[in-house]
Amino acid sequence: GAGVSQSPSNKVTEKGKDVELRCDPISGHTALYWYRQSLGQGLEFLIYFQGNSAPDKSGLPSDRFSAERTGGSVSTLTIQRTQQEDSAVYLCASSTRGENTEAFFGQGTRLTVV
Amino acid sequence: AQSVAQPEDQVNVAEGNPLTVKCTYSVSGNPYLFWYVQYPNRGLQFLLKYITGDNLVKGSYGFEAEFNKSQTSFHLKKPSALVSDSALYFCAVRGRGAGSYQLTFGKGTKLSVIP
Repeated sequence: GAGVSQSPSNKVTEKGKDVELRCDPISGHTALYWYRQSLGQGLEFLIYFQGNSAPDKSGLPSDRFSAERTGGSVSTLTIQRTQQEDSAVYLCASSTRGENTEAFFGQGTRLTVV
Repeated sequence: AQSVAQPEDQVNVAEGNPLTVKCTYSVSGNPYLFWYVQYPNRGLQFLLKYITGDNLVKGSYGFEAEFNKSQTSFHLKKPSALVSDSALYFCAVRGRGAGSYQLTFGKGTKLSVIP
């Protein structure tokens, strides 16, 4: 596709349930990022994938959060046993390899835990 | 560790007046610097970036930014604001070096352009 695609755009879940958020990056982009944006806050880095290298998981806030990237393309962010504080917009971005390259963002998934 | 500060949560400017959105950064070595804009219920859109060379960088929609190494700043500017420029603006930094990739964002500045 022309841009980064995220699904679903909105997700309402009950506290304690597991959720999966999907990101389809721009074709050919080897780098993929997940960020979290809470109301009134900036972007919080969660995880980074680059090609076949081991992902940088240093931003994941707890072991309830995990992410994988299959075949170097689509990525899934999984949140287990969701809590109300997980409510936020989850943004995915992709870029070509290189330090000076900009990242292109998807529209985000708005997660609401009730 | 790298960091970005956007000291103003909100900036108000009259339509037609020049605007400035401030950003300062902290990073080891020379930085790559980026500005993004976010419209309501939308993802972030890339505006411009500084890599090297001319300290004044021009980007989309008439925006420009000035890199000042001594002040570790990268302020976003536009000579004449439009109502449609009203949005949330984010500054981001990435360090240079082997394995550098993490984009660190500021908390954002809400720009309101008043008709």
